[in-house]
Amino acid sequence: DSGVTQTPKHLITATGQRVTLRCSPRSGDLSVYWYQQSLDQGLQFLIQYYNGEERAKGNILERFSAQQFPDLHSELNLSSLELGDSALYFCASSAGQPTNEKLFFGSGTQLSVL
Amino acid sequence: GENVEQHPSTLSVQEGDSAVIKCTYSDSASNYFPWYKQELGKGPQLIIDIRSNVGEKKDQRIAVTLNKTAKHFSLHITETQPEDSAVYFCAASKGGSYIPTFGRGTSLIVHP
Repeated sequence: DSGVTQTPKHLITATGQRVTLRCSPRSGDLSVYWYQQSLDQGLQFLIQYYNGEERAKGNILERFSAQQFPDLHSELNLSSLELGDSALYFCASSAGQPTNEKLFFGSGTQLSVL
Repeated sequence: GENVEQHPSTLSVQEGDSAVIKCTYSDSASNYFPWYKQELGKGPQLIIDIRSNVGEKKDQRIAVTLNKTAKHFSLHITETQPEDSAVYFCAASKGGSYIPTFGRGTSLIVHP
C-alpha cells in the first residue's frame, strides 16, 4: 500500500458529462501529481500541485482542471467528456523536496466514457 | 523537453533467467532515474532509483546501471520469478524539476 488514496476506483459516464476524481496524498507529502495512462500514450503528466499551489503543468486539456485543498487532498475535474478521455487516471504524491523526488502512486481511477 | 525511449516493449523469459530493460534519455541535465513496477490493476510502484553521481545500484535481485556519457540506463533482474511479471517503467528527471518523464513501459512475462 503506497499510502495514496484515490476514489472512485471505477467511473462510467457518458459523453458531455463532468466528473471529479479525488486523491489523498501520503501523510506528510506536500506535492500531488496527476497522470493519465492510456494504452497508446503511456503515462502522461497532467499537472502538479505543491502545498496548494500549481507548480507545473503538462499535457492537460483546457476541459480538465485540478486543485489542491488546504488539507492537501486534490481533485481532478474532467468536463465535456469525450470518448478519448477514457483512461486510467493516477494520482501520485511526494515530499516535493529537491533531494526526495520519489513518487508514490495511488491505485488509479478507471474512467470509461460511453 | 526530455524524451525517454524504452526497449523492449515486451520481454518474455523463462523462470530463473535474467531480464534486461534499456532506456535512453535526451536531456544531459537529467540526474535522477527511477524505475517503477506496475502490476495488473495497481498503480506504479518505485522499485529502485539511481542518481547521476552513481554508476550502478543493486537491491537483491534487481540492479540498475547508468552510463551518463551515452545517456542510457538499464534495469537488470536476475533469477526471475513469476511474480516479477508486470509492466516496468523507466523515468528521468532534472534537479530542480520534480516531474519525471516516463518511458512507454516494458511488459515482462516470466514463464514458470
